[in-house]
Amino acid sequence: NAGVTQTPKFQVLKTGQSMTLQCAQDMNHEYMSWYRQDPGMGLRLIHYSVGAGITDQGEVPNGYNVSRSTTEDFPLRLLSAAPSQTSVYFCASSTSGAGELFFGEGSRLTVL
Amino acid sequence: AQKVTQAQTEISVVEKEDVTLDCVYETRDTTYYLFWYKQPPSGELVFLIRRNSFDEQNEISGRYSWNFQKSTSSFNFTITASQVVDSAVYFCALSEGGYGQNFVFGPGTRLSVLP
Repeated sequence: NAGVTQTPKFQVLKTGQSMTLQCAQDMNHEYMSWYRQDPGMGLRLIHYSVGAGITDQGEVPNGYNVSRSTTEDFPLRLLSAAPSQTSVYFCASSTSGAGELFFGEGSRLTVL
Repeated sequence: AQKVTQAQTEISVVEKEDVTLDCVYETRDTTYYLFWYKQPPSGELVFLIRRNSFDEQNEISGRYSWNFQKSTSSFNFTITASQVVDSAVYFCALSEGGYGQNFVFGPGTRLSVLP
């Protein structure tokens, strides 16, 4: 049972570089979401998707893009990384908007 | 707007002590869901409990118990006879359900259980 798989686990970028955080789930969940975790701020929602082809913004969407071409995959793209995007990123999936979130192991991103 | 407050930033207890983690929430909806997650030092997020707003029964699971009080908008978490393995950051979260995904997490409480 893989659950939610995120890659990479660690990444260091320079300001202005782009990258994609990958997220895949094998539980056939319709809902997927991306959160960032910063010290003292809990987890904040970046973007979410309620199904293939449907995405929407969360609390902190600026600087991030997402797409959902399949039920399984929900990549998060940073088009031009900034030091403020240094954080730990978590992908999650769930069966509904208020269902238990199943989280990936997290991806630690450092932007220099 | 929904909000979750965890006023205790850090708590330290000695093993076998009982400890309560506080969670206060704000929402205008009558239907909502409350959660607790645990984040051990290894970093993963572990689901502990989900409670809907219509179920005010307290719940006990082993050494863990949860006290849900709508009158005070609180959903507190008690660990009885704490153990070193309980050391973690604990997050309380609120979802108003409906369309979309609108989880709001509290800032977390870091619990250290000392041997």
